[in-house]
Amino acid sequence: LAKTTQPISMDSYEGQEVNITCSHNNIATNDYITWYQQFPSQGPRFIIQGYKTKVTNEVASLFIPADRKSSTLSLPRVSLSDTAVYYCLVGAPDMGRRALTFGSGTRLQVQP
Amino acid sequence: DTEVTQTPKHLVMGMTNKKSLKCEQHMGHRAMYWYKQKAKKPPELMFVYSYEKLSINESVPSRFSPECPNSSLLNLHLHALQPEDSALYLCASSQDVGDGNQPQHFGDGTRLSIL
Repeated sequence: LAKTTQPISMDSYEGQEVNITCSHNNIATNDYITWYQQFPSQGPRFIIQGYKTKVTNEVASLFIPADRKSSTLSLPRVSLSDTAVYYCLVGAPDMGRRALTFGSGTRLQVQP
Repeated sequence: DTEVTQTPKHLVMGMTNKKSLKCEQHMGHRAMYWYKQKAKKPPELMFVYSYEKLSINESVPSRFSPECPNSSLLNLHLHALQPEDSALYLCASSQDVGDGNQPQHFGDGTRLSIL
């Protein structure tokens, strides 16, 4: 299974931009990169997904370099409510369990 | 509010009890999943159903028995569980199974405690 590596934890302050990087050296040609956010006692929530270059939506941006061996989730101007665990997953259509395997995640703590 | 509904939210049961966890979605998704999540750990895949058929069983002990009565419902039947089975059980759905570009929609889970 493709393995993803993320920092275990990060700290930030309100109003700052936070960048969380995920390494996925074994990414395959058809793989997409998907990020989820999870609050305590809730299920993960989809944040953003990309294949290459840059993707932006109303809550985050995802930067993917040309070699696609890593990706960076960027959260602009975080608030206390962004305190959560963030997971990146790598997988492709029809790849079954590989697209369903969560890494250890990054625990983001936002301070006032 | 989540589009995947799980009941009950909390469940306490003894090791000899039989209980069931229920999951429901009305998004027309054809893939449904059960995950187990221990405290401060990532979700771990247990079962995958695709078009109401079991497609992946991650070597889960037989005391956990999944069932997919129809495309909107997913059950997890529990019997003779062990204290180490205490965890948050998450249900999810997606348009298709293991499809890397179709994100999963998760419920908020059932917090299960085994006495």
